[in-house]
Amino acid sequence: DTGVSQDPRHKITKRGQNVTFRCDPISEHNRLYWYRQTLGQGPEFLTYFQNEAQLEKSRLLSDRFSAERPKGSFSTLEIQRTEQGDSAMYLCASETGNEAFFGQGTRLTVV
Amino acid sequence: TQLLEQSPQFLSIQEGENLTVYCNSSSVFSSLQWYRQEPGEGPVLLVTVVTGGEVKKLKRLTFQFGDARKDSSLHITAAQTGDTGLYLCAGAPNSGYALNFGKGTSLLVTP
Repeated sequence: DTGVSQDPRHKITKRGQNVTFRCDPISEHNRLYWYRQTLGQGPEFLTYFQNEAQLEKSRLLSDRFSAERPKGSFSTLEIQRTEQGDSAMYLCASETGNEAFFGQGTRLTVV
Repeated sequence: TQLLEQSPQFLSIQEGENLTVYCNSSSVFSSLQWYRQEPGEGPVLLVTVVTGGEVKKLKRLTFQFGDARKDSSLHITAAQTGDTGLYLCAGAPNSGYALNFGKGTSLLVTP
């Protein structure tokens, strides 16, 4: 399978804990995005990488959130001191042209 | 942020019926994508429209991009139960990087 891969698929964590998600994009795509989706909403943009450079961050990305893409390949999204409001589906997408291809997402539940 | 309004929000129809869902904005987009998303999964790209007035067909699905590139519609002919899902439209902005998503139309096709 050469699509976008995300790990883990599901994560349950206690409030205050740190969590890290991983995204492996389609190999020839140099653009990578993180989105967050809550129930009843469309995906909301969090951050964008072109190769290893983080070029854009949404206001939604508070200082508890950090994303990296070392060597311009896989990416990680870390949330520190999780809050219940962080519960959502976290989606990664890689892009060619104007077409974004999404992974299956990581469902985060903060209890 | 360029807002996309999708209507209707929910739609329940019987197998064999036709339907149209809409995606509207006051902003102009360089391109517009339609995605279908099933519960617990990431969005799957259906089509990209780029030129004002463009019509694209994908089997029983017909997509149209408005002449002014501000709106789009998705028409499904003879709906099947397998068409059930959340249909999302997303616009590529003229400036910036991230796709702007609507909230989606949740479609249920019953036998």
